[in-house]
Amino acid sequence: GAGVSQTPSNKVTEKGKYVELRCDPISGHTALYWYRQSLGQGPEFLIYFQGTGAADDSGLPNDRFFAVRPEGSVSTLKIQRTERGDSAVYLCASSLGRANEQFFGPGTRLTVL
Amino acid sequence: GQQVMQIPQYQHVQEGEDFTTYCNSSTTLSNIQWYKQRPGGHPVFLIQLVKSGEVKKQKRLTFQFGEAKKNSSLHITATQTTDVGTYFCAGSNDYKLSFGAGTTVTVRA
Repeated sequence: GAGVSQTPSNKVTEKGKYVELRCDPISGHTALYWYRQSLGQGPEFLIYFQGTGAADDSGLPNDRFFAVRPEGSVSTLKIQRTERGDSAVYLCASSLGRANEQFFGPGTRLTVL
Repeated sequence: GQQVMQIPQYQHVQEGEDFTTYCNSSTTLSNIQWYKQRPGGHPVFLIQLVKSGEVKKQKRLTFQFGEAKKNSSLHITATQTTDVGTYFCAGSNDYKLSFGAGTTVTVRA
């Protein structure tokens, strides 16, 4: 595809449920990032993958959040026991390498009721 | 950790006028990137500044990186309705971007 894609575009879930958010980066981009954006704020870094490995997961808020990228391409962000405070837009970005410009996907709007 | 502050938070501009938005970091940066996010959209990369004192222009947009590599500015001349959106600066040390809260620009025709 031409750009970064994310599915679903919207996800509504109930407090306590488990959700998975998917990111398909630009082909050939080895670096992949997840961010969370709340209303009126800039994107907040969650995790950075270089290839298959999570090189930096220091932005994950707690152990309910986990992300994988098993084959170095598609990534899944997993949130267990969702809380209302998890409601936000989750953005994925990819880049050709570290420190390059990042290309953002359209995001997944997560709403926890 | 690294913090990036942006001012002003909101900028209401008359079409045709100029304005500037400012970005300040608590720490020295290796580079700074600017992104634009249209209402309902996602951040789109505009430019990256790497060198101390660097100035880059894109048509009506002028980006500057401070001498100490701790601050940056974006100046837009002759604002048009297509300039509407939120402009974010993002400080970078290697791969990690720390975004400011953005300057949201509205334009009066």
